[in-house]
Amino acid sequence: NAGVTQTPKFQVLKTGQSMTLQCAQDMNHEYMSWYRQDPGMGLRLIHYSVGAGITDQGEVPNGYNVSRSTTEDFPLRLLSAAPSQTSVYFCASSYRVTGHAFFGQGTRLTVV
Amino acid sequence: AQRVTQPEKLLSVFKGAPVELKCNYSYSGSPELFWYVQYSRQRLQLLLRHISRESIKGFTADLNKGETSFHLKKPFAQEEDSAMYYCALSGQGAQKLVFGQGTRLTINP
Repeated sequence: NAGVTQTPKFQVLKTGQSMTLQCAQDMNHEYMSWYRQDPGMGLRLIHYSVGAGITDQGEVPNGYNVSRSTTEDFPLRLLSAAPSQTSVYFCASSYRVTGHAFFGQGTRLTVV
Repeated sequence: AQRVTQPEKLLSVFKGAPVELKCNYSYSGSPELFWYVQYSRQRLQLLLRHISRESIKGFTADLNKGETSFHLKKPFAQEEDSAMYYCALSGQGAQKLVFGQGTRLTINP
């Protein structure tokens, strides 16, 4: 049972580069979300999706794009990486927004 | 708006002592509260949710709507409880699961 899979686990980017963090779940969950984890800031919601074709912004959406073309996948795109985007990124999914959320193992991103 | 506040970034207690991690929330609707835990080098995982009214690994949490709190408690701390703990809020009509800033709990031997 794979659960929520994030790739890559680690990434170093140069300022201005773009990249996509992948997230896939095999539990047929409708709700998926992206968070960033920073020391002292906790988990802050970047974007979320309540189902295929539907996405919305969270607390800190600037500099990030998402799409949800299938139930399984919810990629996070960094358009032009900045050092302020250095963080650990977590993808999560749940059957519904008030349900038990399952998390990926995280992606540690460093922007230099 | 949904908001979760965990006032303690760090909490250190001795093994065998009682533990209380504080969580306060703000939400205009009917809230659903959760505690998630992240042990070293492991994924974030659900510890418990108020709707289940259960005890997991000796931890309990009671939703106090009057004080808008959902504090996590354990009567006797164990070393394996050392971890990062996050309080989270969703609710009826909400479309977001929002987390607090987290509390790093350290249990000293």
